[in-house]
Amino acid sequence: SAVISQKPSRDICQRGTSLTIQCQVDSQVTMMFWYRQQPGQSLTLIATANQGSEATYESGFVIDKFPISRPNLTFSTLTVSNMSPEDSSIYLCSVEIAGKNTGELFFGEGSRLTVL
Amino acid sequence: DAKTTQPPSMDCAEGRAANLPCNHSTISGNEYVYWYRQIHSQGPQYIIHGLKNNETNEMASLIITEDRKSSTLILPHATLRDTAVYYCIVRGNAGGTSYGKLTFGQGTILTVHP
Repeated sequence: SAVISQKPSRDICQRGTSLTIQCQVDSQVTMMFWYRQQPGQSLTLIATANQGSEATYESGFVIDKFPISRPNLTFSTLTVSNMSPEDSSIYLCSVEIAGKNTGELFFGEGSRLTVL
Repeated sequence: DAKTTQPPSMDCAEGRAANLPCNHSTISGNEYVYWYRQIHSQGPQYIIHGLKNNETNEMASLIITEDRKSSTLILPHATLRDTAVYYCIVRGNAGGTSYGKLTFGQGTILTVHP
């Protein structure tokens, strides 16, 4: 298995500000993903975090709003920019572990953001 | 990736088997069936996956029909801690060393009651 640490675990933010969420994994990973889970909803994939290059965004998500970095194999950040109350969600980091070859994804506990 | 259809909710008595169905009639030959669950306030947890053969692990069994158009996740002896949202996901092999992204549907809310 893998231990995935997300910081912060929760935060309350003001409208118009930005917040950066960190994801640190204790194992080598092949893929890292960022998901959003709005209140009462299922998970929606935001983007695939690519090491050393620009993230691959899903339809409806753009780099200016959700810039992502992945400087190495085990660390990534997601920034939620210019936040509005509609950005209040849980943001989850997910990884595929190198060498496991089952396709299993491991998830962090999430970062719960409330935007006032 | 193929879409899946699950009932929005199900109930189960503690100690009984929970059988969660999933339809994936448009699944293609190289797509796998994955099951995850999400217990309240936690990240999703992998349960099991399969291609065409039935699979069993310490958590559950996965029964896939011969035509692969549907499957059933079986929790043999449900406990109160199995109350969660269960997601059935069909996913292809992205190639190379990665299986690629997971696309979540709405899932089934399973409530296990005493």
